[in-house]
Amino acid sequence: DAGITQSPRYKITETGRQVTLMCHQTWSHSYMFWYRQDLGHGLRLIYYSAAADITDKGEVPDGYVVSRSKTENFPLTLESATRSQTSVYFCASNDRAKGNEQYFGPGTRLTVT
Amino acid sequence: AQSVTQLGSHVSVSEGALVLLRCNYSSSVPPYLFWYVQYPNQGLQLLLKYTSAATLVKGINGFEAEFKKSETSFHLTKPSAHMSDAAEYFCAVSDSGYSTLTFGKGTMLLVSP
Repeated sequence: DAGITQSPRYKITETGRQVTLMCHQTWSHSYMFWYRQDLGHGLRLIYYSAAADITDKGEVPDGYVVSRSKTENFPLTLESATRSQTSVYFCASNDRAKGNEQYFGPGTRLTVT
Repeated sequence: AQSVTQLGSHVSVSEGALVLLRCNYSSSVPPYLFWYVQYPNQGLQLLLKYTSAATLVKGINGFEAEFKKSETSFHLTKPSAHMSDAAEYFCAVSDSGYSTLTFGKGTMLLVSP
């Protein structure tokens, strides 16, 4: 199906473990984004990417790593998970040529114990 | 720097009543403005957007918003609330030259019978 998907939808991990959240879009949008959503903070941008092999930091990048070797994929890695990274993570994409609106995936709920 | 302020973390209305969700923004250049809706356990869905055309913007599900430059506002309205409108609503701003969005902290709309 066309669209933007995230996996896994739910993940429980332990402090100190490495975790990778996957994001895949079928629209060939140039821009992709990672946000975290926490109560009282709304959505905060972690990293974004303008194209394959081009990434940039957002508002809260510490503790996260991203890569983008293919246009359609934008994985987010927590190298050593901490409890403060317990959150809901959303991936989004945007076709810059058609406007600034972003299209969101269904989210991944991550719990770090 | 851009910022968005949504007045009221929770708004309660009765079914059939007017819905008014407030959003004020700051931006150093003419902005693009967006309203998104998030239903429980789902990603964000675009309701409507302002991109410097008509100041009154109509969106999906009977919602509309009016851009008022003098008040730096972009309030969301719906004449008659429906139970299915219960969700969290996010206002977002983007400078026209950039693809990143800055989100408000969200307003939870509660609709009572």
